[in-house]
Amino acid sequence: QVQLQESGPGLVKPSETLSLTCSVSGGSISSGSYYWSWFRQPAGRGLEWIGRIYTSGSTNYNASLKSRVTISLDTSKNQFSLKLNSVIAADTAVYYCARGDTRSPFYFDYWGQGTLVTVSS
Amino acid sequence: DIQMTQSPSSLSASAGDRVTITCRASQTFNGYVNWYQQKSGDAPKLLIYAASSLYSGVPSRFSGSGSGTDFILTISSLQPEDFATYFCQQSYSMPPTFGQGTKLEIK
Repeated sequence: QVQLQESGPGLVKPSETLSLTCSVSGGSISSGSYYWSWFRQPAGRGLEWIGRIYTSGSTNYNASLKSRVTISLDTSKNQFSLKLNSVIAADTAVYYCARGDTRSPFYFDYWGQGTLVTVSS
Repeated sequence: DIQMTQSPSSLSASAGDRVTITCRASQTFNGYVNWYQQKSGDAPKLLIYAASSLYSGVPSRFSGSGSGTDFILTISSLQPEDFATYFCQQSYSMPPTFGQGTKLEIK
């Protein structure tokens, strides 16, 4: 059974960088059939896709966040990471990682339980 | 981006009831809708993919239907463990987008 677990600071100061890691167990992050994504959900709102990384290292980002986001992969640790720089209060949200299937119909079959990140001084 | 408008935002029902949740897409497409269940503090779980296919291990009381712009999740006979939040997601075009969620509560 594949499991994902987010980790990182729960509090980040405005203008600093939010850094989160997603640890994957029960399966290899190097499998070519999948890609690895980050999402976030501000309180009372729907989920927003942040971006994804393929096992090749290729990335795609949401246009609304592209200038501030970096997603990277560490196959030796079976982890992938999110960095969001120059954070503001509006970046406060529960952040989730998930595995996406590269084959149609492109669903997300395993998710982490989420971690709350608050941006505040 | 494709907008997914989900309704209702909340729903009260009793065990044994049949409930339906709807997602309306801002443009037409066929098949590329997935449904998830989320309980407080837990990871979202995939229920239905490709609008109507039941994901492995999901009870058969869950079903999905729809095409074009309107997609429906149906729970045929609510069980106590089904009280949770449900949301839809389109995978037709990038970026993937989600409905706002439906909170299903015990009446």
